[in-house]
Amino acid sequence: DTAVSQTPKYLVTQMGNDKSIKCEQNLGHDTMYWYKQDSKKFLKIMFSYNNKELIINETVPNRFSPKSPDKAHLNLHINSLELGDSAVYFCASNQPGPIRETQYFGPGTRLLVL
Amino acid sequence: AQKVTQAQTEISVVEKEDVTLDCVYETRDTTYYLFWYKQPPSGELVFLIRRNSFDEQNEISGRYSWNFQKSTSSFNFTITASQVVDSAVYFCALSEASNNNDMRFGAGTRLTVKP
Repeated sequence: DTAVSQTPKYLVTQMGNDKSIKCEQNLGHDTMYWYKQDSKKFLKIMFSYNNKELIINETVPNRFSPKSPDKAHLNLHINSLELGDSAVYFCASNQPGPIRETQYFGPGTRLLVL
Repeated sequence: AQKVTQAQTEISVVEKEDVTLDCVYETRDTTYYLFWYKQPPSGELVFLIRRNSFDEQNEISGRYSWNFQKSTSSFNFTITASQVVDSAVYFCALSEASNNNDMRFGAGTRLTVKP
């Protein structure tokens, strides 16, 4: 009964390919997020979705596009992969409101672009 | 702009030592939330604690304790009698009430506990 799950766990691909990472949460949360963790362990938010509405979009290349078919899922699609996209990508979710609720993270997807 | 500083990049201790991980934050908001997460070698991010800006009460959970001091904008984390299993990267994070769900992480502190 995993709260936030991501697939795949590992992804190795060639430059120029298009790939997707899936995320699902069974916590009933309204907001989901994508973070990128680089090789130096620095965590940076990429996107968040609240009820299918994008509410944060950091300076992320438009090759990255989040897609949310419903509030339990937020998938990350990446076009024309580049070497610099190699990182660990984490999905997270929380229930927003007047009291900032804790974000719970998925296990991460380790992306390696060759 | 919000900012979280974890000045200690790496700390190494011997088992059973106490260790404190520092976290200093910057914010203009009066209402904000602070978090600590643990990232063990297996890579997942594990939530440890959340603290609201209007609650300065320190917290203890087993060997873990947190010292929140608004006067110095710090939210330090102490592990008492450290164990090898405590070896991980620890992240401090800040979320402002005015900044819709945006959570900013510090750079992390890598703690190594040697037997």
